[in-house]
Amino acid sequence: EAQVTQNPRYLITVTGKKLTVTCSQNMNHEYMSWYRQDPGLGLRQIYYSMNVEVTDKGDVPEGYKVSRKEKRNFPLILESPSPNQTSLYFCASRPRTLAQETQYFGPGTRLLVL
Amino acid sequence: TQLLEQSPQFLSIQEGENLTVYCNSSSVFSSLQWYRQEPGEGPVLLVTVVTGGEVKKLKRLTFQFGDARKDSSLHITAAQPGDTGLYLCAGPLYGGSQGNLIFGKGTKLSVKP
Repeated sequence: EAQVTQNPRYLITVTGKKLTVTCSQNMNHEYMSWYRQDPGLGLRQIYYSMNVEVTDKGDVPEGYKVSRKEKRNFPLILESPSPNQTSLYFCASRPRTLAQETQYFGPGTRLLVL
Repeated sequence: TQLLEQSPQFLSIQEGENLTVYCNSSSVFSSLQWYRQEPGEGPVLLVTVVTGGEVKKLKRLTFQFGDARKDSSLHITAAQPGDTGLYLCAGPLYGGSQGNLIFGKGTKLSVKP
């Protein structure tokens, strides 16, 4: 079954404690990205990757890092989380061509930073 | 400044009614996508429109991309309770990276039986 998986699904942490949210896809997609979704602000892109070892900043990259060492995985790293990073996070993947209607989102990771 | 403005923000209708939601911008987009998101889940892609003036149909849903590629609309005929959800439009700016997707804030639709 084609899917994007994220772990963990729920996380409560404290300010400054480094964390990683994993994202994995089984569809051999070139493109992967991370979004955060906040009430009143909608979905905002954090980082995206068009292929292995190629990453670019989205609209809200501050406070986040990513890496793309393998095609299937695209972890999101918060080196020093702060309360304003409390949010619902989504990972997504798709083939290189945007016109193909096969973009998939993961189930989401709900993060609370105290 | 929101690059993609969606309207209305909220819409509550009775089963069987027709409705249209809008996605507008002053910027040109390479393409636009429409998603539906249900509470606690990730968005699900419904359609991608690429060509200015393009119309796509998905059962009772009709999607249109404006001639100038600055706006799009989603029309639902004979809405059903299963259509309830948050409808999002998104796209890459024309001339920008295909990877950099801009999302609208969405239209929250509620269809009552």
